[in-house]
Amino acid sequence: DVVLTQTPVSLSVTLGDQASISCRSSQSLEYSDGYTYLEWYLQKPGQSPQLLIYEVSNRFSGVPDRFIGSGSGTDFTLKISRVEPEDLGVYYCFQATHDPLTFGSGTKLEIK
Amino acid sequence: QVQLKESGPGLVQPSQTLSLTCTVSGLSLTSNSVSWIRQPPGKGLEWMGVIWSNGGTDYNSAIKSRLSISRDTSKSQVFLKMNSLQTEDTAMYFCARNLGGYGGYLDYWGQGVMVTVSS
Repeated sequence: DVVLTQTPVSLSVTLGDQASISCRSSQSLEYSDGYTYLEWYLQKPGQSPQLLIYEVSNRFSGVPDRFIGSGSGTDFTLKISRVEPEDLGVYYCFQATHDPLTFGSGTKLEIK
Repeated sequence: QVQLKESGPGLVQPSQTLSLTCTVSGLSLTSNSVSWIRQPPGKGLEWMGVIWSNGGTDYNSAIKSRLSISRDTSKSQVFLKMNSLQTEDTAMYFCARNLGGYGGYLDYWGQGVMVTVSS
């Protein structure tokens, strides 16, 4: 199974600053069709997870452009510029390239 | 408007079978895939399995031997059955729609249902 390793485990950021989360995969996430099915989700406290980014860098409908996904192969990054209070929660990467699908272990974003 | 809602027993005894239902609206199960995901208290997300739009299924290899996902397209319902439950199966269980290429992205989620395994 593909293992997704997220770092850091937790992150404390000042409002208005940038946050960066890394997701490394144990295998390349490029599918045979040329696409890379790596996604990012945010789970706010007490809520269901919500989709932020799909196919590495595509923002889902309604997601602010402060959220930027990048990467290729096995190394991926989610950057959140100008962190706002509503950004707090746990961020998960998720791969949908290899069966079984797998989540990363999560990164908790706290506001200083 | 796409909606998913999980339902099922809040308490299950150890060694028993868990049965959950995900009722969807605003989408057809014959053209949409649905995943089950769970989250033990205070822990991360675990993808459990998926029923594809064509009715095929795939499962997390760690729980594959205990898990079954099925559907009733006429009732817009997806079912999860997992046997031999243990205390470590205590978790919030979510269903979500898969959309997009290969495994897809999970764009709509249910609110989740909490299941406690205890005698």
